[in-house]
Amino acid sequence: GQNIDQPTEMTATEGAIVQINCTYQTSGFNGLFWYQQHAGEAPTFLSYNVLDGLEEKGRFSSFLSRSKGYSYLLLKELQMKDSASYLCAVVGWGLDQGGKLIFGQGTELSVKP
Amino acid sequence: DAGVTQSPTHLIKTRGQQVTLRCSPKSGHDTVSWYQQALGQGPQFIFQYYEEEERQRGNFPDRFSGHQFPNYSSELNVNALLLGDSALYLCASSLWEEKKAFFGQGTRLTVV
Repeated sequence: GQNIDQPTEMTATEGAIVQINCTYQTSGFNGLFWYQQHAGEAPTFLSYNVLDGLEEKGRFSSFLSRSKGYSYLLLKELQMKDSASYLCAVVGWGLDQGGKLIFGQGTELSVKP
Repeated sequence: DAGVTQSPTHLIKTRGQQVTLRCSPKSGHDTVSWYQQALGQGPQFIFQYYEEEERQRGNFPDRFSGHQFPNYSSELNVNALLLGDSALYLCASSLWEEKKAFFGQGTRLTVV
């Protein structure tokens, strides 16, 4: 079966650091995405991990452990505009290279002053 | 460079009716995927089109059908609408040989 778990809600303070975890169990694995989605808007790409380790991009970093089926998104120096839903998505195996995205339910992050 | 565009942005339909949603992929992209996102949930994969053929399909009934045109744009059709079809419908485009997908702003469908 396919299962992706992430916390439903998280709250953090402006200027702080927050870590959003994602665990997955899928029949195939071809990479993991993190997307940010503000209410009523399209998901926007944050990161893509296919190998184990940490990928850093400005205030955002993403980590992957394929053996543990685990990823996290780390947000540093939180700003009010970071309040959004954060979606973890695994690229499943396709018949060819075009894989479909299997999403978790999303983590609603609220950044407080 | 235009990103992924979807039309219409909002739509209200009555139970039993049919609806067509449209998507133009990002310039240079050849693959279009459709997702359904219920309120408070993550997107769920409906199907994916490449070279005008449905390549993969999620767990959605046959009431959901689609098409891809030679210019790579795509349509999603839903027949015999149910109240439960109310959702945000997202289109994502990508290159077939790559994994990174770009999303449109979505079409908010309300079935009454």
